[in-house]
Amino acid sequence: QVQLQESGPGLVKPSETLSLTCTVSGGSINNYYWSWIRQPPGRGLEWIGQIFYTGSTNYNPSLKSRVAISVDTSKNQFSLNLNSMTAADTAVYYCARGNGWLYYWGQGILVTVSS
Amino acid sequence: EIVLTQSPGTLSLSPGERATLSCRASQSVTSNYLAWYQQKPGQAPRLLIYGASRGATGIPDRFSGSGSGTDFTLTISRLEPEDFAVYYCQQYGNSPNTFGQGTRLEIK
Repeated sequence: QVQLQESGPGLVKPSETLSLTCTVSGGSINNYYWSWIRQPPGRGLEWIGQIFYTGSTNYNPSLKSRVAISVDTSKNQFSLNLNSMTAADTAVYYCARGNGWLYYWGQGILVTVSS
Repeated sequence: EIVLTQSPGTLSLSPGERATLSCRASQSVTSNYLAWYQQKPGQAPRLLIYGASRGATGIPDRFSGSGSGTDFTLTISRLEPEDFAVYYCQQYGNSPNTFGQGTRLEIK
């Protein structure tokens, strides 16, 4: 059974960079696309971007200038960096497998932006 | 980007009733690449339907999807107590992938 687990800080200061990692277990990261999605408290879902195991990426234009997604196949992990964080970036961040429909999801990690 | 509008915002029904949720796209969804998810408080979304009408693995057959082009529907044939949740549609035929704002299905 494929499982995903997000890790990283729960609190980030304004203007700083968020770094999150998603660890994949129960299956290989190879041959799949991997995505990041976020959900502000009490609101809907926003697709952030995706990466193929080869390193090819695609980002939401609304975040493209601030986001970078990378993959480490040796560790079965992929990561999200989002810079210039503001209060509007406060959200639960999810990682998931796929580039279209998303069957496997992590449990999510709440990231709060506050000084 | 494609904007998805879900209706109604909130749907109040009783267990045993039939639920019909709508998702309308601002332009035609390529290849009917439309998915539906269920989300309960504190949990990640759960995939129900992909490709507009294909049931995901392990999903009860009371959940069905239909539609094409710009108009899509999720139907729950007979509501069980565990079906009361928020439902999202997602299109993945055009980048960026986008989600609807959600329909809250609550117990009447």
